[in-house]
Amino acid sequence: DTAVSQTPKYLVTQMGNDKSIKCEQNLGHDTMYWYKQDSKKFLKIMFSYNNKELIINETVPNRFSPKSPDKAHLNLHINSLELGDSAVYFCASSQVPGQGSHEQYFGPGTRLTVT
Amino acid sequence: QKEVEQDPGPLSVPEGAIVSLNCTYSNSAFQYFMWYRQYSRKGPELLMYTYSSGNKEDGRFTAQVDKSSKYISLFIRDSQPSDSATYLCAMRDDNYGQNFVFGPGTRLSVLP
Repeated sequence: DTAVSQTPKYLVTQMGNDKSIKCEQNLGHDTMYWYKQDSKKFLKIMFSYNNKELIINETVPNRFSPKSPDKAHLNLHINSLELGDSAVYFCASSQVPGQGSHEQYFGPGTRLTVT
Repeated sequence: QKEVEQDPGPLSVPEGAIVSLNCTYSNSAFQYFMWYRQYSRKGPELLMYTYSSGNKEDGRFTAQVDKSSKYISLFIRDSQPSDSATYLCAMRDDNYGQNFVFGPGTRLSVLP
């Protein structure tokens, strides 16, 4: 059973297009995240959602918008894709800190290439 | 100064060696410290988690936290080729809720 799953695994698209990446977790966690990992492997948080409310929104362009239809899903929509958006995007989930768990569980990543 | 710093490597060691991986940080509010392992083209997976200062051991892995020096370490004993991966430190505080801050990772190669 996959704990955190993402689709698609690979995404190749042209500049200016709009795309979405889907994420689902079956761990019953309350918080989900999106991270961007660039070519130097630096993992940087983009968003997190706790019970369908955005609680962190780092300085990412507003072309990126997270959408959470329910606690188990957090999708990432990207408008007007740019070359610099090429990276690996990871979804993750965790329990709310203070409820016994501080670790995050990561999905397998979506490798986005913008041409 | 970046919030979390980590030597990116690459670090190459022979099989059986003791490996020491380190991170320094600047935010004294960090209370929870984690080490993740990331294999090539995979998502990070949690190896060790410690709260505040002290040591924690799990099999061949030992995590140390020195909050007074803002320095954390991960030691791997009897390293194996299967330990070859990128190791990321991560940390967060009590006040900012869900904000996990990651180091840039150290790439480790254990040579047979």
